[in-house]
Amino acid sequence: DSGVTQTPKHLITATGQRVTLRCSPRSGDLSVYWYQQSLDQGLQFLIQYYNGEERAKGNILERFSAQQFPDLHSELNLSSLELGDSALYFCASSARLNTDTQYFGPGTRLTVL
Amino acid sequence: SQELEQSPQSLIVQEGKNLTINCTSSKTLYGLYWYKQKYGEGLIFLMMLQKGGEEKSHEKITAKLDEKKQQSSLHITASQPSHAGIYLCGASGEYGNKLVFGAGTILRVKS
Repeated sequence: DSGVTQTPKHLITATGQRVTLRCSPRSGDLSVYWYQQSLDQGLQFLIQYYNGEERAKGNILERFSAQQFPDLHSELNLSSLELGDSALYFCASSARLNTDTQYFGPGTRLTVL
Repeated sequence: SQELEQSPQSLIVQEGKNLTINCTSSKTLYGLYWYKQKYGEGLIFLMMLQKGGEEKSHEKITAKLDEKKQQSSLHITASQPSHAGIYLCGASGEYGNKLVFGAGTILRVKS
């Protein structure tokens, strides 16, 4: 158990819908990262937050957004969902901003029908 | 952008045999991470290497970093069924942050 929690574990929804994925980092970790894992693209970095502020962006679509709250939990919002958004979404956390080991949560499996 | 190439893509070994997985970067490595993943589950952190020539071991798994070759290797000694899974290498940039991952190596151990 990494100490990072993610909810829900599974999510099935329809195209065009909007969903919210939630992540609680390890106790004391200030940095939260979101990744997407799919068969065709592999594991890709989406976005990083540190102590409530966005710090790095990867290949995140404009339909996707994230935020980190004062209690340090983070949410990833996915809207106007398409079939291709079906994937495993991981949250990871690390203690500080850079160079620390990232510990991954169990993931949320999103299926868009 | 940085790319990581892992080899082999998949591996089937007999229990008790040794094996090596390689990870080669297209750019300078500042930090190299090894993770293990069971299919459909989260990534389990194994080891992090930062300095050229660095070698770390945990139980029967040893990882090395060759800075000049921009390459890391993961060696498993006397493999067991519990070693089966997907091994992913990830590299951090000069300023940390986002990790770039290889495509993964699928390991199956036959008992």
